[in-house]
Formats: sequence, structure tokens, C-alpha cells
Amino acid sequence: DTGVSQNPRHKITKRGQNVTFRCDPISEHNRLYWYRQTLGQGPEFLTYFQNEAQLEKSRLLSDRFSAERPKGSFSTLEIQRTEQGDSAMYLCASSLRGEFLSVHGYGYTFGSGTRLTVV
Amino acid sequence: DAKTTQPNSMESNEEEPVHLPCNHSTISGTDYIHWYRQLPSQGPEYVIHGLTSNVNNRMASLAIAEDRKSSTLILHRATLRDAAVYYCILRDFYGGSQGNLIFGKGTKLSVKP
Repeated sequence: DTGVSQNPRHKITKRGQNVTFRCDPISEHNRLYWYRQTLGQGPEFLTYFQNEAQLEKSRLLSDRFSAERPKGSFSTLEIQRTEQGDSAMYLCASSLRGEFLSVHGYGYTFGSGTRLTVV
Repeated sequence: DAKTTQPNSMESNEEEPVHLPCNHSTISGTDYIHWYRQLPSQGPEYVIHGLTSNVNNRMASLAIAEDRKSSTLILHRATLRDAAVYYCILRDFYGGSQGNLIFGKGTKLSVKP
């Protein structure tokens, strides 16, 4: 297992278009998280899944955002009708429930993110 | 989750120790202190965590004040690869948002050769 994988790494889209990002977590991790990060700020929590269930959504996650994790494996984050304010780095992370030590170490493992630019 | 306060930025010389402070005066008894760091163009990575006792691992040491209202992340010999934003985060082990990491702005560490 090579860690958390996010695709694409970069996405440029026109305002009003829909975009979808994919996250492949570490296979033994049952929790998956989405964060958004803008320049100069720390990552902001968006939502998280335990297996296939979406257990919490931040109020930052407007109606234009939807996340899924079918079968508790990979996850997708879709943004509909993109706006310039959606331009950010979208980060995915995974962990074990309770964050017990795994062969991948402790805590959350983050991917390298998808950088979205809305023009 | 309780709030933490960190300096916006710090500078260090290569191969010297670095002490990164974090204040968390409203910490509760079940809050763990976590440190993550974010290298340029990468996602954050776990560094260390602790509850009451000082902790050491291969990356760093964590010194926790006796009253737990502050802590210090110690990098024993800074290298250029340690230049990153360091985040100090409190998380309630038992509840809240089931462990969502809430990031602040962190401390941007610069390391000079």
C-alpha cells in the first residue's frame, strides 16, 4: 500500500462547471476525511466517513458539494456549479477508528491533495 | 475541541535544536495534544502526540507542562527538510466530532543553512 492517493493532482475548470475528485485511502483504514485548504490557512474540515457511512458534514459543505464512499473503499468529492471561491487545495485523509497504530503509523495519513483553480 | 495558540513563524539554523511552543490554556482532562506538520506542496503528516507525559519518537519530542496548559515540540537537530508549517491540535479522545482534526494556522518554521 502506497499511502493515500488523490486524483487528479491539479484541476482547472471554468466557473459553473462540475468537477469530481477521487481519493483512494489506505486499504486497512475505515475512516476517510475530506479537508479544504486555501493559501496561508490550515486545512478546514469538510466531512468524514466511517466505512460507507457519512457521519458528519461541516457547514462549509454547501449544497453544491457532495461526497460519497461506495462500499467503504475509495471516495469521491463532487462540486457542482463551481465558483471562484471554490479554488483551493482539497485534501483527503484516512485513519483507523480510534487511530490505533497500524503498519502505516499513527494518526491520520493525508494525500498530497487536488489543487482546484476555478477561472 | 479546545483552541491552541502558536506563533505565526519561527526561524532556526540548520543542525540546531528548535523549540516550537503551543499554548492551550482551556485544555480538558481528556484532550490529547497532537502535532502535525505540512511540508510545501504536501498534505499534513503526523509528528507526535501525548496526554500528560513527555513523549519521544524518531521525528521529535513533545514536552508537556505539568498543568498541561502548554506544550513544546522539540526538533533536536533541524535540517532543511524540517522547514514546514507545524500545527498543534487538541482532540478529545472520547467524543466531540469523533476525532476530526481541527487545524489552526500553525507555525511556519524556516531553517537557514
